[in-house]
Amino acid sequence: QQQVKQSPQSLIVQKGGISIINCAYENTAFDYFPWYQQFPGKGPALLIAIRPDVSEKKEGRFTISFNKSAKQFSLHIMDSQPGDSATYFCAASYGSSNTGKLIFGQGTTLQVKP
Amino acid sequence: GAVVSQHPSRVICKSGTSVKIECRSLDFQATTMFWYRQFPKKSLMLMATSNEGSKATYEQGVEKDKFLINHASLTLSTLTVTSAHPEDSSFYICSASKGAGANVLTFGAGSRLTVL
Repeated sequence: QQQVKQSPQSLIVQKGGISIINCAYENTAFDYFPWYQQFPGKGPALLIAIRPDVSEKKEGRFTISFNKSAKQFSLHIMDSQPGDSATYFCAASYGSSNTGKLIFGQGTTLQVKP
Repeated sequence: GAVVSQHPSRVICKSGTSVKIECRSLDFQATTMFWYRQFPKKSLMLMATSNEGSKATYEQGVEKDKFLINHASLTLSTLTVTSAHPEDSSFYICSASKGAGANVLTFGAGSRLTVL
């Protein structure tokens, strides 16, 4: 019940295309869903996050879509660029009520081809 | 913004020795810090939650005596890998919470440990 399942494991997209990464969770107590971007040899950096009271959040080229009833959320990267090539992790937390312990998905390695 | 620094970024040690990794919040006080372990091309696995002035809370399956965590001040937590062995080789990442809630969590750049 603590798991967050992420797919696909890897993704190749052409420059300018849309990258879509999906995550699913079981624990309905989760109330904070961030996405992190990680480059090789670096720590993860927060990209965008959403709470379950909204169905979509957009920041620049990055959009999170959230389906509470299906317990799924996804990251959409519009106009994907080679610089977006990285590993992306979704995560979930009971963040709003405690110190922010995160459960991470398995990760998706994105390659954007020029 | 919030900055978390880890030191060293890379360390190589001989089997049987102990290695200390530091995690510092540079521009904020962190009452809580988290330590993660990441294997190549794998996800981050939470090892323990470190609270300033109290004992760390370890996740199931993590050896407390192997991975010693000390959170001596509001800006510093340390992870000591004791009697390291090659299977302890990994990427160790810390994160620090500026306040309640995961939306104020900042990650360090990670520390690559290689045990020969």
